[in-house]
Amino acid sequence: AQSVTQPDIHITVSEGASLELRCNYSYGATPYLFWYVQSPGQGLQLLLKYFSGDTLVQGIKGFEAEFKRSQSSFNLRKPSVHWSDAAEYFCAVGRGTSGTYKYIFGTGTRLKVLA
Amino acid sequence: GAGVSQSPRYKVAKRGQDVALRCDPISGHVSLFWYQQALGQGPEFLTYFQNEAQLDKSGLPSDRFFAERPEGSVSTLKIQRTQQEDSAVYLCASSLGVISSYNEQFFGPGTRLTVL
Repeated sequence: AQSVTQPDIHITVSEGASLELRCNYSYGATPYLFWYVQSPGQGLQLLLKYFSGDTLVQGIKGFEAEFKRSQSSFNLRKPSVHWSDAAEYFCAVGRGTSGTYKYIFGTGTRLKVLA
Repeated sequence: GAGVSQSPRYKVAKRGQDVALRCDPISGHVSLFWYQQALGQGPEFLTYFQNEAQLDKSGLPSDRFFAERPEGSVSTLKIQRTQQEDSAVYLCASSLGVISSYNEQFFGPGTRLTVL
């Protein structure tokens, strides 16, 4: 069955430090991969997506992610974290079968940023 | 409107009550999705509409859950005889086209349902 694993429930980094959030997926075919961010009381906002082509994907707010097929991973990175990046981050796989389409989300990683 | 809107933002229900949650998708978006997000979890798929047709309801947890989109725009998720385990944030999302992995889903702010 398709699944998404985010092994880190909580991560704390200092402002200005680099960040890497891990995401591993289980999917039989070529996956469509997404990272979303959710701030308190806000809806999910798309940071970036991977469909095909270049395995290093650039997103909004200075985020990037790298698709590694051999490791079944799609880790999110940012070189220098800002206090406003504190939020919950979700990795998702897009799954389409005949007649339907849905996202399968990981359980999320909550990021805390220290001043 | 500019984005997906949902109402009410917060709903408190007594166990056994019926509730109705509304979603206004982005104008012109063909596809509409409902997700349930329990505390500390990622969103889980409930159901999918293409225009007014409900093409997938495989994620609805029981027959107490019912969703409709009669005119292909606004959607309502109804939960009958609410139970405590129904407490969650219910997210609505819409996307521009028909089913395609290339279509980004835009999410609303969610409705937080608390069942006492």
